[in-house]
Amino acid sequence: RKEVEQDPGPFNVPEGATVAFNCTYSNSASQSFFWYRQDCRKEPKLLMSVYSSGNEDGRFTAQLNRASQYISLLIRDSKLSDSATYLCVAYISGSARQLTFGSGTQLTVLP
Amino acid sequence: DGGITQSPKYLFRKEGQNVTLSCEQNLNHDAMYWYRQDPGQGLRLIYYSQIVNDFQKGDIAEGYSVSREKKESFPLTVTSAQKNPTAFYLCASSKAGETQYFGPGTRLLVL
Repeated sequence: RKEVEQDPGPFNVPEGATVAFNCTYSNSASQSFFWYRQDCRKEPKLLMSVYSSGNEDGRFTAQLNRASQYISLLIRDSKLSDSATYLCVAYISGSARQLTFGSGTQLTVLP
Repeated sequence: DGGITQSPKYLFRKEGQNVTLSCEQNLNHDAMYWYRQDPGQGLRLIYYSQIVNDFQKGDIAEGYSVSREKKESFPLTVTSAQKNPTAFYLCASSKAGETQYFGPGTRLLVL
């Protein structure tokens, strides 16, 4: 079983739609989580950090459920520029390796 | 500008050849990482270093080598022992306990 699992998609949604991605993690020692965005043939870039129950930044909301070992990312009012792959990442405090990456969920926002 | 640079952007390797990918950062980060990404796949950790003159193997270190002689630099050598080197190579750095920031990546292709 992968340590961080994501639905690979692809998710194809119309502009303006609300879309949600789910991510599960297997290591209960994971203490904080991140969502990275990766555009095609580019490096991943940090989108949001999730340290407690959740975090909101404009159209983006991340939620964490430690009991179910589950993180979600909600994007409201999707824009064409939101098209990318979204990587769910877990961090274990004190781990030298730091981050464990999911394989990513691909989103395409259609005009 | 502060940041992480990788060079070259594209690199071609012949059979039996060793090649070295450069990664430099001026963020004063202690930790540096090398990842490999294959098409449609997540990031896999090759090597990481938390401090100068020290580094550890990640999940797929075979066929690769690194050095960390300076805080700013963490070059990766892809040796001839790596039989399937074609991939997107990403370097990252971080402060201890904080999230990672990525360089723009190097695409390695085998001739």
